[in-house]
Amino acid sequence: SSELTQDPAVSVALGQTVRITCQGDSLRSYYASWYQQKPGQAPVLVIYAENNRPSGIPDRFSGSRSGNTVSLTITGAQAEDEADYYCNSRDSSGDRVFGGGTKLTVL
Amino acid sequence: QVTLRESGPALVKPTQTLTLTCTFSGFSLSSYGMCVTWIRQPPGKALEWLALIDWDDDKYYSTSLKTRLTISKDTSKNQVVLTMTNMDPVDTATYYCARHKVEMATIVNYYYYMDVWGKGTTVTVSS
Repeated sequence: SSELTQDPAVSVALGQTVRITCQGDSLRSYYASWYQQKPGQAPVLVIYAENNRPSGIPDRFSGSRSGNTVSLTITGAQAEDEADYYCNSRDSSGDRVFGGGTKLTVL
Repeated sequence: QVTLRESGPALVKPTQTLTLTCTFSGFSLSSYGMCVTWIRQPPGKALEWLALIDWDDDKYYSTSLKTRLTISKDTSKNQVVLTMTNMDPVDTATYYCARHKVEMATIVNYYYYMDVWGKGTTVTVSS
């Protein structure tokens, strides 16, 4: 299966904008989704279909794609956004691959 | 309201077979675009996708684990079962099931995403 690469850790000052990226060849062909996971909890879908938010997800979360890279942007990060974030996409063999995750710290 | 709940043994011995059940409600696994998928997460590590079964009973397995995994569904009971053979201590993890949706984006491409997750069940592999 193909791989998705994420930066292990990113930090952002409270109220500032942060971009979390995910890179992989499969992203040229397939759409990605993003998941937020807080300690001791199950993951929650925050972005799907490139830039769609499920109901209940704040509009400060947005997604984009360029070539083999997808990005999750949080505009005006809040303390409650501190979490691990994972990208996911299928690959040509049908695997649903997760990135290694990015730990977001809100300072 | 869509819900999923994982159930299974908390402890298995090395070489044993693990059987996990995902019991869901609020949707039909017979409906087009509906799937159930399994994901695991070892302590302190990343999410790892395991397997998926779709509305048409097509099954997909992680390339690295496919020889050990079997996924099946009982639509009448709203359950999906995952078995993993030859368990090893490295398989110690929290196992999640999730609803996975497939939606047409264009004629040649689809959106794939896991929109509702269960709370997970912790499985420890130890003698």
